[in-house]
This record gives sequence, structure tokens and C-alpha cells, in this order.
Amino acid sequence: DTGVSQDPRHKITKRGQNVTFRCDPISEHNRLYWYRQTLGQGPEFLTYFQNEAQLEKSRLLSDRFSAERPKGSFSTLEIQRTEQGDSAMYLCASSLDKTYNEQFFGPGTRLTVL
Amino acid sequence: QKEVEQDPGPLSVPEGAIVSLNCTYSNSAFQYFMWYRQYSRKGPELLMYTYSSGNKEDGRFTAQVDKSSKYISLFIRDSQPSDSATYLCAMGRSGNTGKLIFGQGTTLQVKP
Repeated sequence: DTGVSQDPRHKITKRGQNVTFRCDPISEHNRLYWYRQTLGQGPEFLTYFQNEAQLEKSRLLSDRFSAERPKGSFSTLEIQRTEQGDSAMYLCASSLDKTYNEQFFGPGTRLTVL
Repeated sequence: QKEVEQDPGPLSVPEGAIVSLNCTYSNSAFQYFMWYRQYSRKGPELLMYTYSSGNKEDGRFTAQVDKSSKYISLFIRDSQPSDSATYLCAMGRSGNTGKLIFGQGTTLQVKP
């Protein structure tokens, strides 16, 4: 399978714990995006990388959130001190530079904070 | 006011019907217009990708963009029960940013 992959697919955690998600983009795509989707809503942009550089961050990305893409390949999204309001589907997408609006999504990681 | 407005539905049609899904937007800077299909508890799947105004056809799907009215549509011909899903419109700007703005999504049910 050469699509975007995400791990884990589901995560249940207790409030206050830290969680980390991983995204592997399509291999030739140098842009990688993180979005968050809550029930009944469309995805909301969180941040994106061009290679290893993080170029834009949404105001939704509080200081408890950090994303990395150390070698320009896979990316991780960490949430520290999780809150119940963090419960959502976290989606990763990737694209080529020249068609950066043509984004391909992974299956998502569904986070439940108890 | 949201930048992108989409009627959440649900929309229920009989098998074989022509389905029309729509979005309106307020930001004239949007140049790229996408439609995604999302099945329950899955990631969005890119269906159509268009630039600026005009029509684009792919099989049973036709995307239309009217930038003068800030209105986009997705038509599905000969709808099938397997088309039952949530359809999301998304929009992007030119200028090297990668941020897409999504509508709320319209839930479609095609009944056999």
C-alpha cells in the first residue's frame, strides 16, 4: 500500500497523559499536513511541513501540541497533558510541492480522552 | 460567518438519482476547489480537484465552480448505495500555502 499511513488507528487515554501519533506520507510527497476533525465537522488545519521545515501553525495548535518531521519523511504529533476537549480524529495528509492543494489523507487516528 | 458553508443534510435519494451537492464561500482568494468523500470513521478520499472556474468530469462525478457567485457543486449521476457517505468540499489559495478550508460536510444516503 503506497498511501498515507497513520499509527495508531485508535488511542484511548486518561486526562493528563501524553500521547504521540505517527504519520508516514506517500513516499515522493515532500509536504505533510496535520488536521483535526470532530464529530459532524470538516477537518480543521493544524500545521504543515515542507520537507523538515514546519511552515505554518494554526491557532488551534496550543503549546500542549508539538509536531516534528525530523528527516523530512515521517512526522509525529504529540499532545501533552491531554484534555477531554482533545478527543477527535487526527488526520494526516501529504502532497507534492507543485500541487500542494491536492492533498491525500490517511485513515486518521481517533483519540478518546477519558 | 464561516469561510465555507455546506448544508449538513442528511440528503436521502433513491438509487439511480442525480445528486447535487453544494458549497458557498466568502473568500475570493480561493483558487483551488476539492471534493472529498468520507465513509464513517475513515479518512477523507479525494474525488475531484479543480482550479479556478469551470467544469470537470470524472466518470459519474462532475464538479462545477462558479467563482463569480462563490459557489461550487458536485453532481453524482446514477447514484449507487455505495455512494452513501459524507461529502466534504475544501478550498485552497494560491501563494504556496498548504492550508485547506473545509465545509462541514453533507451526509448522503442512497437507498436501494
